[in-house]
Amino acid sequence: QQPVQSPQAVILREGEDAVINCSSSKALYSVHWYRQKHGEAPVFLMILLKGGEQKGHDKISASFNEKKQQSSLYLTASQLSYSGTYFCGTDPWGGATNKLIFGTGTLLAVQP
Amino acid sequence: NAGVTQTPKFQVLKTGQSMTLQCAQDMNHEYMSWYRQDPGMGLRLIHYSVGAGITDQGEVPNGYNVSRSTTEDFPLRLLSAAPSQTSVYFCASSYSSGGGITGELFFGEGSRLTVL
Repeated sequence: QQPVQSPQAVILREGEDAVINCSSSKALYSVHWYRQKHGEAPVFLMILLKGGEQKGHDKISASFNEKKQQSSLYLTASQLSYSGTYFCGTDPWGGATNKLIFGTGTLLAVQP
Repeated sequence: NAGVTQTPKFQVLKTGQSMTLQCAQDMNHEYMSWYRQDPGMGLRLIHYSVGAGITDQGEVPNGYNVSRSTTEDFPLRLLSAAPSQTSVYFCASSYSSGGGITGELFFGEGSRLTVL
């Protein structure tokens, strides 16, 4: 039931781009993206809504394909501060419940 | 404005002991939840609440109890600790972003629990 994230890990040089994918077996109402640095709490990046448009956050953007039940996170011109583990959180129920199913994460390491 | 506060940050228990992880938020959020994080497993939902007096089970509720007597507090009780409950526990709160959609989750700093 957990969404599948790919790749599991990726190593980049500063300035390179990356794409992280999240695929669910269930129809989704929304997809959240979070970043977690080692030993810290996850931090919200963005939310994509069913029927909504692509969202952006500085050089990080994301898309949501409702029909394919997939979301992708795009990191452009990566910076050292982008390092961490990225999680997608999916909502297959609808309604405001604070209830998400998270993927297993993608570890991103950005090197100088 | 402290956000979401969890205590304790670290705890070691023996098998069979009980304990309560505390979670408090000062943002007047309606919705609160508990997740556990294990290596390679991501975050898994234990219990959640959509308001004071209302709780429900998540993906992995066995061995845990919750209650929500106030908007601010959402404690998680381990009834009889087992080594399989060794994990990092995160409390989160959120509001509705409108249109009945779960909004941004605000996480506490986590509570690292080891059961021997």
